[in-house]
Parts: sequence; C-alpha cells; structure tokens
Amino acid sequence: AQTVTQSQPEMSVQEAETVTLSCTYDTSESDYYLFWYKQPPSRQMILVIRQEAYKQQNATENRFSVNFQKAAKSFSLKISDSQLGDAAMYFCAYRSALFGAQKLVFGQGTRLTINP
Amino acid sequence: GAGVSQSPSNKVTEKGKDVELRCDPISGHTALYWYRQSLGQGLEFLIYFQGNSAPDKSGLPSDRFSAERTGGSVSTLTIQRTQQEDSAVYLCASSLGPLSSYEQYFGPGTRLTVT
Repeated sequence: AQTVTQSQPEMSVQEAETVTLSCTYDTSESDYYLFWYKQPPSRQMILVIRQEAYKQQNATENRFSVNFQKAAKSFSLKISDSQLGDAAMYFCAYRSALFGAQKLVFGQGTRLTINP
Repeated sequence: GAGVSQSPSNKVTEKGKDVELRCDPISGHTALYWYRQSLGQGLEFLIYFQGNSAPDKSGLPSDRFSAERTGGSVSTLTIQRTQQEDSAVYLCASSLGPLSSYEQYFGPGTRLTVT
C-alpha cells in the first residue's frame, strides 16, 4: 500500500518570504500523480498544484512550485512571496495512475502560519 | 458553476443514533468519493462511486457505515448506531470520470460530533 509522510506538523514564515513544505511517499508503482491541497478554516480542500510522475519537469503555478525527486520519492512544495491568505493546512496526496485506483492517499498535513 | 455541496454543515448526535450525510456533486461528474478527516486518523478514503458500477467500499471502517448514490447524482452516507470515534469531518468529492488524471473537487464537509 502507498503511504505519504509529511514530517512537519507546523511551519511558519514571514509575509513575503519563501517557505518549503516537505513530503515523502512510498510506492512500488512507476506511474502516479502527486498533489498538494490547501485546506483553509472553511474546510474546503483546494488543489494547489499537481505533478505527473512521468514528467521530469517540476510543476509551477504562479507563486507555488514543487521539487519532485522521483528516485528519492520526495515531493516538496515551495511557496514564494508568502501572503496572509496562504495560511492554511497543506496536505500532500498520492494517486495511482492505474485505472480503477481512484482514491487519494493523504499525508498528515502541515499547518502553515504566515506572520505579518 | 456550482461546486460540490454537502449538508448539513454541522451535525451533533447522541451516541447510538443513526445519521445521514448528503453530498451533491458537480453536475455532469460521474465519479463521487467520500473521505473522513479525523484527529487520530488524518484523511482517509471511505467509498467511491463511478457511474452505474458497483462502488468501491474498501475504505468503510465497519458495517455500521453505508452509502448510496441515487440516479448517479446525489449520494448519502449513513452511519448507524453512531459511536464517539465516528466524530470527524466527512468530505465528499467529485470528478468528471474514472481517469486518474481528472481532478477531484471537494465540498466543504460535514462536521459530525457524537456526544
């Protein structure tokens, strides 16, 4: 079974600074998807960024980028120019690319605090 | 367009009572998922529906949990004889179809408190 580990229960950063959230995963599969989700106090999970395992290029979405190291099974999220609205729980998630393997497997989450 | 909606937003129930949680997926989405978010277990998959296929119930924690999806749209998660360990946020998500490349869109969840 696949597992996802987030080793940082809490992180804090000064507004406008850069922060990196860590995620490692374990799988025997070669094709899969990795995601970072944001969960603000409203509870609604919002997709921040996704990475296809077959792509070597790291995904970027505006201020959000990932460092995907397939051999090391590492998938970190970098948030540049942190803003107060970035404060939330962040979850790393894995999804198999096998047809029918639909569930997301989540890490335990990292609570990010932005200091003004 | 409208996103995934869930009701009620919050539910408080007494131990031993049955509860029903509702999920309205995004129109046109054939895949629907239920997850549970609790302090002790984190976020865990419960059940997956795809069209008219038999659901994947592999994540349901006990036979007190069941779910149905009527007409390929609205889904109801039922918990019978609730226990305190059932207290959690229950999240519903939907996606366009069964492909793993399709994004799962989440609802705001139902917070269940069992007293």
